[in-house]
Amino acid sequence: AQTVTQSQPEMSVQEAETVTLSCTYDTSESDYYLFWYKQPPSRQMILVIRQEAYKQQNATENRFSVNFQKAAKSFSLKISDSQLGDAAMYFCAYRSASGAQKLVFGQGTRLTINP
Amino acid sequence: DAGVIQSPRHEVTEMGQEVTLRCKPISGHNSLFWYRQTMMRGLELLIYFNNNVPIDDSGMPEDRFSAKMPNASFSTLKIQPSEPRDSAVYFCASSLRQGFQPQHFGDGTRLSIL
Repeated sequence: AQTVTQSQPEMSVQEAETVTLSCTYDTSESDYYLFWYKQPPSRQMILVIRQEAYKQQNATENRFSVNFQKAAKSFSLKISDSQLGDAAMYFCAYRSASGAQKLVFGQGTRLTINP
Repeated sequence: DAGVIQSPRHEVTEMGQEVTLRCKPISGHNSLFWYRQTMMRGLELLIYFNNNVPIDDSGMPEDRFSAKMPNASFSTLKIQPSEPRDSAVYFCASSLRQGFQPQHFGDGTRLSIL
């Protein structure tokens, strides 16, 4: 079974600075998808960014980018120019490309933005 | 476009009562998922449907839990009888089944069993 590990329960960053959240996963599959979701205090689960495993190019979405290292099974999220609205729980998630469609989530990282 | 709609947003009830959570997926989506979020276990899949058919219910904790999807625009998750350990946030999500499609989540139902 696949597992996702987020080793940083909490992180903090100064407003306008850059922060990187870590995620590692374990799988025997070669094709899969990876996601980062954001959960603010409002409880919504908001998709931040996604990556297809067979694509070597790292995904970017405005201030959000990933560092995908397939061999190391690592998928970190970089947030540039941090804003107060970025404060939230961030979840890394794995989904098989050929088997089960379910998302397997990490335990989450709580990100605090200091003004 | 309307997102995934869940009701109720909050539910407080007494142990032993029947609880029904409702979900309307995004129109056109053919996969629907029920997740549960707790402090101890994090986010975990309970069950998912493709084209209204249950595909994987291995995450359903026990026979007290049941889920149905009578049509493409509606699903229910029922707990009968409810227990305090069922207290959690329950999320419904939907997606297109094909390819690299993300799951879109509803706002969740916070369930408290007293």
